[in-house]
Amino acid sequence: AQSVTQLDSQVPVFEEAPVELRCNYSSSVSVYLFWYVQYPNQGLQLLLKYLSGSTLVESINGFEAEFNKSQTSFHLRKPSVHISDTAEYFCAVLSNSGYALNFGKGTSLLVTP
Amino acid sequence: EAGVTQFPSHSVIEKGQTVTLRCDPISGHDNLYWYRRVMGKEIKFLLHFVKESKQDESGMPNNRFLAERTGGTYSTLKVQPAELEDSGVYFCASSQVLGAITEAFFGQGTRLTVV
Repeated sequence: AQSVTQLDSQVPVFEEAPVELRCNYSSSVSVYLFWYVQYPNQGLQLLLKYLSGSTLVESINGFEAEFNKSQTSFHLRKPSVHISDTAEYFCAVLSNSGYALNFGKGTSLLVTP
Repeated sequence: EAGVTQFPSHSVIEKGQTVTLRCDPISGHDNLYWYRRVMGKEIKFLLHFVKESKQDESGMPNNRFLAERTGGTYSTLKVQPAELEDSGVYFCASSQVLGAITEAFFGQGTRLTVV
């Protein structure tokens, strides 16, 4: 079965510092990977996704994730975070159903001045 | 255009009571999904509607949970009777085309607390 593991439950970081949120996946077939973000009091929003092609995918707000097949990872990175990036981030993989998502436990990113 | 809307945003009920959660998907989205996040755990898939038909309810925890989607529009998720372990955040999502690949839009969730 397709699954993901988010290794860090909380990541505190100072504003303008780089950050990496880790995600490893388990899959024996083609894999489609996603990062969702949940800002306080809001719903889940798709941040970026990997379906095929270039292994480096980017979001509009400066995040990027790299699909690494050899390491079965899909880590999320940002070179310089803002206070407004404070949120919970969820890694997800498309399940064998082809429509349901299997999520990780989430990583809370806390950016402080 | 309105997004996915869920009602209520919070609900606190006593064990044994009944609670009904509502989800209004984005207009025109045939696919509707329910997910749940129990505290400290993953967000788990519960079920999937295509229009008014249940396509997959493999994630429903037990028969105390009943989901309906009247006329293929809004959906309700009823928990009867509620138990302590039902506490968590219930998310609804909708998509226009089948498949998460095309992006499912999520609501803000309903936080259910059973005491």
